[in-house]
Amino acid sequence: QKEVEQNSGPLSVPEGAIASLNCTYSDRVSQSFFWYRQYSGKSPELIMSIYSNGDKEDGRFTAQLNKASQYVSLLIRDSQPSDSATYLCAVNSGATNKLIFGTGTLLAVQP
Amino acid sequence: DVKVTQSSRYLVKRTGEKVFLECVQDMDHENMFWYRQDPGLGLRLIYFSYDVKMKEKGDIPEGYSVSREKKERFSLILESASTNQTSMYLCASMGVSYEQYFGPGTRLTVT
Repeated sequence: QKEVEQNSGPLSVPEGAIASLNCTYSDRVSQSFFWYRQYSGKSPELIMSIYSNGDKEDGRFTAQLNKASQYVSLLIRDSQPSDSATYLCAVNSGATNKLIFGTGTLLAVQP
Repeated sequence: DVKVTQSSRYLVKRTGEKVFLECVQDMDHENMFWYRQDPGLGLRLIYFSYDVKMKEKGDIPEGYSVSREKKERFSLILESASTNQTSMYLCASMGVSYEQYFGPGTRLTVT
């Protein structure tokens, strides 16, 4: 069973700090990696995608991918209370069109 | 922007009823997905479709069926609703780089 693992949290950070969210995956042939944000009672919203090793920055968000270690992370700089949500990591299953989702990390940004 | 819509935000049905959940996307995507999301269990794939009239079972297809008669529309059918099908149902459409875009979700309660 191919898996995506995330710490469920909650991860609590003060406003203005950097939040670091981590994800590991088991399928070595995975090529596409995604981070979704999900507010309570809402549907997941795609916030970052990354396809090659290294860092990808988009505003306050940076996704980091290390395929050798099978590890993908999301950094949120200058965290705001509005960033408080559950963050889902998703990995493309190499053999199909499916995404495998982690169970999510709950982030709480304290004002 | 990709737009995925779902027919209802909230539904209440009785045990044994046949339930139809409809999803429409406006980006001409070939791949569409139905998930359910329950606390502590994360997103679980029910069915997906990779083309009109084509479907594949996901991880938890029992008690569900699907229909894809037109490319933009993917329907989930609960043949005989049961209380253990009370859940949040999420439809997603997949873009060319495996990214998935979710609809707003339908919170179904079966009494």
